[in-house]
Order: sequence, then C-alpha cells, then structure tokens
Amino acid sequence: GAVVSQHPSWVICKSGTSVKIECRSLDFQATTMFWYRQFPKQSLMLMATSNEGSKATYEQGVEKDKFLINHASLTLSTLTVTSAHPEDSSFYICSAKYQGDTQYFGPGTRLTVL
Amino acid sequence: GNSVTQMEGPVTLSEEAFLTINCTYTATGYPSLFWYVQYPGEGLQLLLKATKADDKGSNKGFEATYRKETTSFHLEKGSVQVSDSAVYFCALKGKAAGNKLTFGGGTRVLVKP
Repeated sequence: GAVVSQHPSWVICKSGTSVKIECRSLDFQATTMFWYRQFPKQSLMLMATSNEGSKATYEQGVEKDKFLINHASLTLSTLTVTSAHPEDSSFYICSAKYQGDTQYFGPGTRLTVL
Repeated sequence: GNSVTQMEGPVTLSEEAFLTINCTYTATGYPSLFWYVQYPGEGLQLLLKATKADDKGSNKGFEATYRKETTSFHLEKGSVQVSDSAVYFCALKGKAAGNKLTFGGGTRVLVKP
C-alpha cells in the first residue's frame, strides 16, 4: 500500500518549451504532496508543498511562475516547468503525505533540457 | 538552519560484510531522524526512524541510534546482502509545526556477491 507514481520517468525537451510532470497516489488519498528537486550527488531540496484545492506553498528562492503546481484532486498533483532552460535539467521527485506525517515518495522524473 | 551530512559513496562491500553509513546533523531543538532507502528504479522508502535521544530505530536488519551528544544517527547492518544495494538517505524533521524534511546527500551502497 501507499504507492506513489510519477509520469513520465524521463523527458527531454527543447529550451523554451514547457513540461508537465504528474504525481499520483495510487491507493490512497493525499491532501498534501511535496515536490523536490535533486541535483547529481546532492540532497533532495524541497521546492514546494502542494495542498489539494489551494495554492501551493513555495520554498524561498523557488520561482512560482516558473514551476507551476496544481493539486486539483486528492490523488493527483502536477508540476509544470514553464519556458524550460538547460539549468532546469534535474531530477524531480514528489511525495505524498499519508497516515500522519509519513511521506511516500515517487520514483522521480529526470528532466533534460537541450 | 537544519542540515544533514552523510558520508559520500559509493560504498562497495562483499556479501555478509558489516555496513556503516555515517550521518551527522545540525538542528535547533531535538528533531526526528530518519533513514530512507531508494532501490534502483523505485521511490524513496522509509527504512527506520527515531524521534528522541537514545531511541534506536530498526528494520530489515538495519539499526540506527539517535545520539544527541554527538548529533549523529549512523546506520548499521551486520551482514549485508546483494539486495541491500541501493542509495541511502539520512534526513531530519524539526518538531515545530510545518517543519519539513531535510535530507543528506545520499550514499550509494553496492554489495557484490
């Protein structure tokens, strides 16, 4: 139980285009989901907290107009990287909160911007 | 602010060897401490946790003890298996409401038969 999926697992896009990444809780409902970014050989850095039915809360230094988060249902949150540039290339990981404070993580999405 | 430092990998071991991954932290107050494991192609999974000083978390043969005096939470396993090959992340979460998980950089472990 408590499985979180992400789609796609890997995406390549051209500079200037937008990319949407989906995060789904498959067997539970999640009012709160989190989006992380991970650079090679570095920590997971929290980008934003996504609450169902309300605006996401972004961490300091994260551009909310560049990284659009939508949590429209209890099982789906999306992260859209708008006007992507090579410096946005990274590994994006989502998690969903279930049964108290425990977070269940998705497998991640690798974004490469050419 | 909060921070977590863990040993860099990769750590390469033979099957049945003893594994230790060091983790130290900086935080205000007394956070909760976690070890997460990420197997190839999968999401991070909670391996074990400890919520107060001297607590020992354990799971699947892994253990870690919350040491307040040394601000450490080292992960140990007495006899590793090939299936333990993964990336291990140490993390902390402050007690205050709204505190988020802070992760270490991860340590890749490769166990050879």
